Amino acid sequence: DAGVIQSPRHEVTEMGQEVTLRCKPISGHNSLFWYRQTMMRGLELLIYFNNNVPIDDSGMPEDRFSAKMPNASFSTLKIQPSEPRDSAVYFCASRPDRGETQYFGPGTRLLVL
Amino acid sequence: KNQVEQSPQSLIILEGKNCTLQCNYTVSPFSNLRWYKQDTGRGPVSLTIMTFSENTKSNGRYTATLDADTKQSSLHITASQLSDSASYICVVRATYSGAGSYQLTFGKGTKLSVIP
Repeated sequence: DAGVIQSPRHEVTEMGQEVTLRCKPISGHNSLFWYRQTMMRGLELLIYFNNNVPIDDSGMPEDRFSAKMPNASFSTLKIQPSEPRDSAVYFCASRPDRGETQYFGPGTRLLVL
Repeated sequence: KNQVEQSPQSLIILEGKNCTLQCNYTVSPFSNLRWYKQDTGRGPVSLTIMTFSENTKSNGRYTATLDADTKQSSLHITASQLSDSASYICVVRATYSGAGSYQLTFGKGTKLSVIP
């Protein structure tokens, strides 16, 4: 298995632009997580899906952030409009229905100028 | 307030030596505690997951301990290798509330450097 796939790996954009991050979980995994990591705040859980349904989005910072999972093999995290403080590494992780181990993707490094 | 504190913030050790990383938490009600290894520029990789009833768990040269009474965990690395250089993150999950809450509290990590 290729593991969790994220794209793009790097994104540089200007403040006010829309940013879309993409994730393909490991096949057969029922749960998907989006995280954000910064030097100041460390890792933060943004949203958690189970069977394509958002279960907990309490970590989503504000209305500018939205996440979707239209099917079991694809999820997006969208920021509109983006701001410089959104600059971070965004990770996607997936987990099988049984067990607690999450498998992380390589991350998308976002820089908002 | 749920918190996870890790110490030290950074550590430098010689290759072949052992080391121990600490994690103290105030998360309640406790569900499980995880240790992750994160290489620079990569996503975290799970090392161990421990529930309330487990007080030690090993994964190769990594051994995690948990004292649920004192709310402390440690990660012991034996015979360190250069490839152990990474950040080690402690994460504690609170009991699933049933109200759609998946509560994770993250430590800031310990940055370990193993030098030849």
